[in-house]
Amino acid sequence: SAVISQKPSRDICQRGTSLTIQCQVDSQVTMMFWYRQQPGQSLTLIATANQGSEATYESGFVIDKFPISRPNLTFSTLTVSNMSPEDSSIYLCSVLLTGGLAGDYTGELFFGEGSRLTVL
Amino acid sequence: DAKTTQPPSMDCAEGRAANLPCNHSTISGNEYVYWYRQIHSQGPQYIIHGLKNNETNEMASLIITEDRKSSTLILPHATLRDTAVYYCIVRVINTGTASKLTFGTGTRLQVTL
Repeated sequence: SAVISQKPSRDICQRGTSLTIQCQVDSQVTMMFWYRQQPGQSLTLIATANQGSEATYESGFVIDKFPISRPNLTFSTLTVSNMSPEDSSIYLCSVLLTGGLAGDYTGELFFGEGSRLTVL
Repeated sequence: DAKTTQPPSMDCAEGRAANLPCNHSTISGNEYVYWYRQIHSQGPQYIIHGLKNNETNEMASLIITEDRKSSTLILPHATLRDTAVYYCIVRVINTGTASKLTFGTGTRLQVTL
């Protein structure tokens, strides 16, 4: 399993500002993903955070709005830029573990507890 | 990833079995069926997955039809703590970008006394 820590757990921000969310994992992982969950909605994938290269964004999400860094195999950040009230959501970090014995690999993704962002 | 269809909500009495259905009629041969759940204000939690055989673990059982076009997640003795949104997802297993999960709307299971 993996322990994923996200900071901040929640924040209230003003319109037009930016906020950086951190995701720290207690073991090296190959894949890291960032999701958004708007109030009352399901999870939507924002991007795949690639170690050492630019993130891969899903349709509808762009780097200027959601810049992502992944400097190593245990850490990533997501920035929500120039925020508006529509950006009020829970942002979740997710990781894929590929270690372990052959046959134990389940393809399971582990999720952090999320960062609840409110934009006024 | 193949799309899935789930009922938006279900109720279950505590102590009874909760049977959550999922349709995935366009599933391809190399796609697995995964189940996750999200308890309020928490990140999603993996429950179980399978390819074509029925699977059981300490949390639940997964029944996949022979044609693989549908499946059922069974919580044998539901408790109040099982109240959550349950997501059925089909995907390939690999170590690349295809390992991402695409969430549908899920089934909101309410367990009652």
